Amino acid sequence: EDQVTQSPEALRLQEGESSSLNCSYTVSGLRGLFWYRQDPGKGPEFLFTLYSAGEEKEKERLKATLTKKESFLHITAPKPEDSATYLCAVQAEGDMRFGAGTRLTVKP
Amino acid sequence: ETGVTQTPRHLVMGMTNKKSLKCEQHLGHNAMYWYKQSAKKPLELMFVYSLEERVENNSVPSRFSPECPNSSHLFLHLHTLQPEDSALYLCASSQEKHSSGNTIYFGEGSWLTVV
Repeated sequence: EDQVTQSPEALRLQEGESSSLNCSYTVSGLRGLFWYRQDPGKGPEFLFTLYSAGEEKEKERLKATLTKKESFLHITAPKPEDSATYLCAVQAEGDMRFGAGTRLTVKP
Repeated sequence: ETGVTQTPRHLVMGMTNKKSLKCEQHLGHNAMYWYKQSAKKPLELMFVYSLEERVENNSVPSRFSPECPNSSHLFLHLHTLQPEDSALYLCASSQEKHSSGNTIYFGEGSWLTVV
């Protein structure tokens, strides 16, 4: 069965302390892997789409990478405004599955 | 502004009420979705419409009834709900149905509380 697992469930960082969030998946026929940011009480905001192993994408302090089994969202020198829940989603043949998310808190 | 607008943002309803959630997308997309988000659980796909035709219904109870009058509008009609139906309901859209690698864009959601 297709699965998407995000870790850690929650992460607390000091401002400027770089770290990575993990999204591991087991699907057949990957069509795309998506990262979203979700602020409390709001809908998910699209960040990145990755389509094949080895692909990388960057946006400000965020960088997403993809292998055949997992994706990482690297956060470099985070700021308090980066605090949010980050969702990973995997699209396979005929289906799209979301992970439960990583709740990131960045303290000043 | 994501291009997907949901109303109302907050709704409180009794178990015997009938209400509707509305979604409108301004992105020119052909597929629209309803998702349910409960605390600490992954997003659950409820319904998918592609070119106004329902293509998926993931074992959702009949107290939830979707309607897609055209490719820009999507409704979720609610009746005789249960307290466990309280959640954030998210509308989304994509260029094509989500088996094709297209990015899905979400609205801000409608917070539903059933009392």
